[in-house]
Order: sequence, then C-alpha cells, then structure tokens
Amino acid sequence: AQKVTQAQTEISVVEKEDVTLDCVYETRDTTYYLFWYKQPPSGELVFLIRRNSFDEQNEISGRYSWNFQKSTSSFNFTITASQVVDSAVYFCALSEALGSAGTASKLTFGTGTRLQVTL
Amino acid sequence: DGGITQSPKYLFRKEGQNVTLSCEQNLNHDAMYWYRQDPGQGLRLIYYSQIVNDFQKGDIAEGYSVSREKKESFPLTVTSAQKNPTAFYLCASTLGTVISSPLHFGNGTRLTVT
Repeated sequence: AQKVTQAQTEISVVEKEDVTLDCVYETRDTTYYLFWYKQPPSGELVFLIRRNSFDEQNEISGRYSWNFQKSTSSFNFTITASQVVDSAVYFCALSEALGSAGTASKLTFGTGTRLQVTL
Repeated sequence: DGGITQSPKYLFRKEGQNVTLSCEQNLNHDAMYWYRQDPGQGLRLIYYSQIVNDFQKGDIAEGYSVSREKKESFPLTVTSAQKNPTAFYLCASTLGTVISSPLHFGNGTRLTVT
C-alpha cells in the first residue's frame, strides 16, 4: 500500500526565515507522481507542483523549491524568505491509477504540515 | 472562469437525517472525486467517477452514496448510516491521463451533524 508521511505537524517561523517541509513516501510502483498542495484558511486545495518518478531534477519557482531524492524516497519543499501569506496547511501526495478506463487517479495524502508565518 | 463549485459552504443537520452535498464543474473533466478531511488527517477518498453513469467506491465509502447523471455534476449523499459524518468534504476533478493529472478542488463543504 502507498503511504505518505509528513512528520512535521506544525511549524512556526518568523517572516523572512527559510523553512523546509519534509515528505517521505512509500510505494512499490516504479512509475508514480508526487504532488504538493497548499490549503489556505479558505479551505480549497491549491496545486503547487507535480514531479514524476523519473525526473529527479530539483525545481525552483520563485521563493519555492523542491528537492526530490528517490534514494531516500523524499520530496521536500522549501520556502525561501517566508511571508505571512505562506501561512497554510501543506500536503504532500502520491498518485496511483484507479479503474480500467484510464481516466482516474487516486491521491494518497500525508497528514499535512501547518505552517504559521508571523511578523 | 472554469472551476468546481461546492454548495453550501456550511451545512448543519440533525443526526439521523440524510444530507446531499452539491458539486458542479465546468472544466469538462471526465473524472470526479469526493474526499473527506478530518482535523489532523490527510484527505481520504470516498467515491470517484470516471465517466457518466459510472462510479466506484474509494477507501471510506460506507455510509455514503453518489450519482453521476451528468458529466458536470457529482453529488454526494451522507446517509444516516455514516457513523461520524461531521467533517470537511472536498470535491475534485481531473483531466487527462492516469496518475499524472493534478486534482482540481472545490472550496469544500463543512458538514456538522448534531
């Protein structure tokens, strides 16, 4: 069975600090996708990034960066120079195929990390 | 703008009553999903549907029912058989190939049963 572990339940930082959110996953599949989602207080989950199992290049998007290491089954997320607007719950997720029609997938989510950024 | 609309945002019911949560999408996505979120837990899959008039149970389907009569709509009924119905419910959809497509989520419905 697939599993995603986000060991950090809650992190508090002061604005402009860098912060790393950890994600460790387990799967027997050789082809899989990993995702990060942000859930602000409004409740809607916002897609941040997708990474497939064959692409271990790190990615940077503005203040966000992701470090994927297949050897340690980790997909960590770093926010540089954090801002108050980054305060949210962040979820790491692992996808697997569902059904026979080939148009559905299931995400296995971690329990989320609540990030609180204060002034 | 395309998106997923869930209504209502907050819902209150008495124990023993069935309640239906609405989910509508105008993204022309084939697959739709219902997830449940409880405090301190990740999201868990209740039901999913790949095409109209077809749906499948997820990990926690007991006490729930769905229908998919139209591509745009995927309502979820929380029945009186669901033992702990109070939760945050999220509807989602995907377009494209299996496992690589990110889920698009609605704003959620917070259900409270007393």
